[in-house]
Amino acid sequence: EVQLVESGGASVQPGGSLRLACVGSGFRFDNYAMYWVRQGPGKGLEWVSGIGWKSAGIAYADSVKGRFTISRDNAENSLYLQMNDLRVEDTALYYCVKAIWGRSGWVDHWGQGTLVTVSS
Amino acid sequence: EVVMTQSPATLSVSPGDRATLSCRASQSISSYLAWYQQKPGQAPSLVMYDVSTRATGIPDRFSGSGSGTEFTLTISSLQSEDSAVYYCQHYSFWPGTFGQGTKVEIK
Repeated sequence: EVQLVESGGASVQPGGSLRLACVGSGFRFDNYAMYWVRQGPGKGLEWVSGIGWKSAGIAYADSVKGRFTISRDNAENSLYLQMNDLRVEDTALYYCVKAIWGRSGWVDHWGQGTLVTVSS
Repeated sequence: EVVMTQSPATLSVSPGDRATLSCRASQSISSYLAWYQQKPGQAPSLVMYDVSTRATGIPDRFSGSGSGTEFTLTISSLQSEDSAVYYCQHYSFWPGTFGQGTKVEIK
């Protein structure tokens, strides 16, 4: 059974930093692209960042470019999101998700999310 | 970024009636389109991929159509358990943007 377990969410002040982590199990982690998708309170889904199976391809939404950094450690079956210069509008539930292919594709599994709150 | 626009924002349909959800892309995404269902308090789950291929366990009352920039998700005979928010997402290239969602309510 595929499992994705996020951690690292917290309450921080604007301008602060956080590092989210996600551990995957039940599948060959290094074979698949992974994404972070977020959902603000009462809002829709927003694709935040993606990383290919060997970290060769990386992309970000315009809203986080230059502030967030995605990375992965295939030996540890782990995905990370370093978030700097956090803004109130970054407040959201952050989902770690697995793509269907190594370089892209739709999402076939979702974690339960980790909550990030940015407030003064 | 490709902008995905869904309509309507809310759809109220009687049980047994047809529900038609629309999704428009700001540029051609070929057939690289998926639909997800999200119920309150739950993570989203996959309904459809490659426009018209149902995900595992999705009943055949769900169907998808379209190509290029215009897409449709149809629920042929709405059941109470179909009440949810539905999101479209393109995956033709990154970022794989989502639409803003259509809330399907049971009338």
